[in-house]
Amino acid sequence: EDKVVQSPLSLVVHEGDTVTLNCSYEVTNFRSLLWYKQEKKAPTFLFMLTSSGIEKKSGRLSSILDKKELFSILNITATQTGDSAVYLCAVFNGGATNKLIFGTGTLLAVQP
Amino acid sequence: DAGVIQSPRHEVTEMGQEVTLRCKPISGHNSLFWYRQTMMRGLELLIYFNNNVPIDDSGMPEDRFSAKMPNASFSTLKIQPSEPRDSAVYFCASQGVLGNTIYFGEGSWLTVV
Repeated sequence: EDKVVQSPLSLVVHEGDTVTLNCSYEVTNFRSLLWYKQEKKAPTFLFMLTSSGIEKKSGRLSSILDKKELFSILNITATQTGDSAVYLCAVFNGGATNKLIFGTGTLLAVQP
Repeated sequence: DAGVIQSPRHEVTEMGQEVTLRCKPISGHNSLFWYRQTMMRGLELLIYFNNNVPIDDSGMPEDRFSAKMPNASFSTLKIQPSEPRDSAVYFCASQGVLGNTIYFGEGSWLTVV
């Protein structure tokens, strides 16, 4: 059965800290891995990763994929209170059903 | 460009009533997904359409749930009869032909009392 596992489930840090969120997966017909940020509304897209070892970067956020070890990490440097959210990892099963399978998310709380 | 549009944004209904959730995908997108999100189970894929055809409905919980996509710009998710355990946020999402990221609507917050 396809699955996506995120860790930690929750994390509390102080502003300025650096955090690393983890995502491991077991999916048939892997196609891509996506990271989303969810605050009070719908998940908003952060990154899509398809190739190992190529870092995607956007401001203080960066992410990398390891297709051999079947995991990805999302790094946030110099955290701010506005980074508080649930971070969701999702993997595309690129088979006939083309499913996007989500992990349960990591709840990040950044304290001032 | 308008994103994925869902209605209603919030719905409170009594157990046993029929609930219909609506979704308008992004224009030009050919795949549409219905997800349900709860604290306990996270985001679960209920059903997925490609070119208006249901491809995978294995996530639909039971016969009380049904979904339709009569055309490329509209889909419904219906629950009949509703039960308190159906209370959740229901997200609709769409994906373009190139198969890149999925864009989510703002969700329909359903409470069944």
